[in-house]
Amino acid sequence: GEDVEQSLFLSVREGDSSVINCTYTDSSSTYLYWYKQEPGAGLQLLTYIFSNMDMKQDQRLTVLLNKKDKHLSLRIADTQTGDSAIYFCAEGRDDKIIFGKGTRLHILP
Amino acid sequence: DAGVTQSPTHLIKTRGQQVTLRCSPKSGHDTVSWYQQALGQGPQFIFQYYEEEERQRGNFPDRFSGHQFPNYSSELNVNALLLGDSALYLCASTLNNNYGYTFGSGTRLTVV
Repeated sequence: GEDVEQSLFLSVREGDSSVINCTYTDSSSTYLYWYKQEPGAGLQLLTYIFSNMDMKQDQRLTVLLNKKDKHLSLRIADTQTGDSAIYFCAEGRDDKIIFGKGTRLHILP
Repeated sequence: DAGVTQSPTHLIKTRGQQVTLRCSPKSGHDTVSWYQQALGQGPQFIFQYYEEEERQRGNFPDRFSGHQFPNYSSELNVNALLLGDSALYLCASTLNNNYGYTFGSGTRLTVV
């Protein structure tokens, strides 16, 4: 099938690291993405990784890709209240983007 | 530099009616894709337009149709609206399938 799977909820204390995990289906996907959606807003591209990479770091964000297991993760260091949002894992395939259902990140004080 | 702009932002329609949603791509982009995001779900691909042609289509009925104009802007039309068509409709643009898709803020359609 076309499903991109990710857990629906994650609660993290402010200042801790958040790790959001995802599994995808198509090993031929060229790009893998993480998008952020705040309430009532559209999608913001956080970061992406090309399928021949294992890791990408961008400031507080670290993306890890395990192509063998088709597993993608997003780590947010020093999580802040402004990081509270829904995070979508997505794979780029055949001129379209396939999204997961999103992980709602809740920040505990 | 404006990003992707969509209009209207909100819309309420009655079952059976028809609706047209509009999208202006980011400056320099020539490819427009449309997605439907139902409440609590991830966005689902509807179709993509490039050079005024529908290049690819997702699993949506023929009630969903679109158009791309010479200036790269696009419209999404939905006929014979159903309650289940209530969703956030997102437009995304890119330069001929470069990885860098930019999304608009969406049009929230409510069918009553």
